[in-house]
Amino acid sequence: GENVEQHPSTLSVQEGDSAVIKCTYSDSASNYFPWYKQELGKRPQLIIDIRSNVGEKKDQRIAVTLNKTAKHFSLHITETQPEDSAVYFCAAVGGADGLTFGKGTHLIIQP
Amino acid sequence: DAGVIQSPRHEVTEMGQEVTLRCKPISGHDYLFWYRQTMMRGLELLIYFNNNVPIDDSGMPEDRFSAKMPNASFSTLKIQPSEPRDSAVYFCALSSSGRYNEQFFGPGTRLTVL
Repeated sequence: GENVEQHPSTLSVQEGDSAVIKCTYSDSASNYFPWYKQELGKRPQLIIDIRSNVGEKKDQRIAVTLNKTAKHFSLHITETQPEDSAVYFCAAVGGADGLTFGKGTHLIIQP
Repeated sequence: DAGVIQSPRHEVTEMGQEVTLRCKPISGHDYLFWYRQTMMRGLELLIYFNNNVPIDDSGMPEDRFSAKMPNASFSTLKIQPSEPRDSAVYFCALSSSGRYNEQFFGPGTRLTVL
């Protein structure tokens, strides 16, 4: 089955700086890569996703890049704000499986 | 909580007891997923259904776990007998138009097995 590795496990950045979270996946058949944000005590919520037919997707301060050859994808958050503090999960879907999640990145925005 | 209702929201039980978690999706979603979240193992897919039919239950930890979806408006996840290592937050999630679309998570059930 699919295996998703996520780094770093914790990321601390100054408010206004950029944050980058990276994930790798193992199944070359995977073709859908969502990113979820989970605030403390809340449910995971989708923030952006990308499909295998594109290399990059942007939504305001958030962008995701995908390199299918290298089997890795990344989340980029620019101009970070206090409300960006949360745990972020990458995931991959392929074949007959459901979502396989990375272990999560705890993003801390320092004032 | 619009879209997915999970009950109970919190459950505390003793080892050996049967636990039943419930999920009530709104109409229009043809995929239903059960996930478990712990600090050690993160978010794990347990089982998912398509049009009420179980498709992949390879994530179910062992025979103590079972899940059913008797109709499009209701699904249950049962643990019998429960063990302390089953303590986790259990999420139900929904998707429409295939697995390659956004999954809407319910609020979750926090299970504590003493």
